[in-house]
Amino acid sequence: GNSVTQMEGPVTLSEEAFLTINCTYTATGYPSLFWYVQYPGEGLQLLLKATKADDKGSNKGFEATYRKETTSFHLEKGSVQVSDSAVYFCALSASANRDDKIIFGKGTRLHILP
Amino acid sequence: DVKVTQSSRYLVKRTGEKVFLECVQDMDHENMFWYRQDPGLGLRLIYFSYDVKMKEKGDIPEGYSVSREKKERFSLILESASTNQTSMYLCASSSWTVNTGELFFGEGSRLTVL
Repeated sequence: GNSVTQMEGPVTLSEEAFLTINCTYTATGYPSLFWYVQYPGEGLQLLLKATKADDKGSNKGFEATYRKETTSFHLEKGSVQVSDSAVYFCALSASANRDDKIIFGKGTRLHILP
Repeated sequence: DVKVTQSSRYLVKRTGEKVFLECVQDMDHENMFWYRQDPGLGLRLIYFSYDVKMKEKGDIPEGYSVSREKKERFSLILESASTNQTSMYLCASSSWTVNTGELFFGEGSRLTVL
């Protein structure tokens, strides 16, 4: 079946460090891929997405490239800030069917130290 | 500003009580979802609905039921609460007719069952 695997946290970095959070997936066909972020005390919100191979999603300085050959969608940011402290979820949507479910990874907690 | 509103941020109930969690969205979305979020387990889908009076079981429906009498409202019901249902509950909605794959989440309801 379809699944998403992301690196376990917590990940702790100093401000201005480079961030990578790994995400790999298993799916039949050509899924759409997403990163969601959950700030403390809030629900999840979409951070970025990519709908086909080699697409790059970007938002708020974060980027992720849809790599079909490695079935990966790693999240990167060149210089993190304290305000980036949150839980990050990788997710996939396997089809456009109305009853299709989005499948989430288990989440990676990120702590940024000032 | 588009919004998914969950009726209670924090609830404390006793074992055996009937619990209602309410969710309302103002985006005219067809699809609505209930997830629970637990440390180390990520998000797990309980039930979803893609139309009024329609419901589909997710991955962990046992011990829960749902109701969708109006398009904007999706209720999660715990018929007889148990301590293993202590969790964060997240409601989400999405559009089928504008299928970008994006889910819009509420802020969550943290339920403690004593």
